[in-house]
Amino acid sequence: SYEFTQSPSVSVSPGQTVSITCSGHRLGNLLVSWYQQKPGQSPVLVIYRNDERPSGIPERFSGSKSGDTAALTISGAQPMDDADYYCQTWDSTSATSPTFVFATGTRVTVL
Amino acid sequence: QITLKESGPTLVKPTQTLTLTCTVSGFSLSTTSVGVAWIRQPPGKALEWLAFILWHDDQRYNPFLRNRITITKDTSKSQVVLRMTNVDQADTGTYYCARIGGYCAGGSCYPSKAYFDRWGQGTLVTVSS
Repeated sequence: SYEFTQSPSVSVSPGQTVSITCSGHRLGNLLVSWYQQKPGQSPVLVIYRNDERPSGIPERFSGSKSGDTAALTISGAQPMDDADYYCQTWDSTSATSPTFVFATGTRVTVL
Repeated sequence: QITLKESGPTLVKPTQTLTLTCTVSGFSLSTTSVGVAWIRQPPGKALEWLAFILWHDDQRYNPFLRNRITITKDTSKSQVVLRMTNVDQADTGTYYCARIGGYCAGGSCYPSKAYFDRWGQGTLVTVSS
């Protein structure tokens, strides 16, 4: 099965910039989405197709990819951005068993 | 306004069958490119995709659970149903349904283009005797 590498946690001061990354084999050839999940709430899509931002998501959220590493950057983090963030892709390396996969998540603490 | 809402039992005994219903509003399950997925999250753990069903009834399953789960839809009721057989404690968690967006783009349709653009509130299912 496909495996991501995502750092478990990161801290950032309010107003500062933080980037969280997801790495995986052949991720450079795959489209990546990012989800924000606050405690006790459902996930929310914040980035899709590597760098597209849904309507209603603040401009401080941006996505990028370099080689097999995708990144979500929060420019000027706010206390409301305190949450878990998950990257996700579609793994078709197995022709008979393709699957959506989520990474393990990164806990972003804004304090 | 697009909404999805999960419903079903909160407590299930081991070996029983779990049936969850996702009722959607604000979009039609028969519209081209529309799909609905089920995703679960064990307490304190990461998200896990289970299955999805598309507008034309194409279904895909997590290969690790393929022999235990079935997904169906009733377009007239705007409902998507997940059925999971022979549950055990490892199936305890919050179950979400989510709308699939972007499945079709640029004249072609592939799951590799898709993402989950709306989520339900989730329903907590506990498997215990």
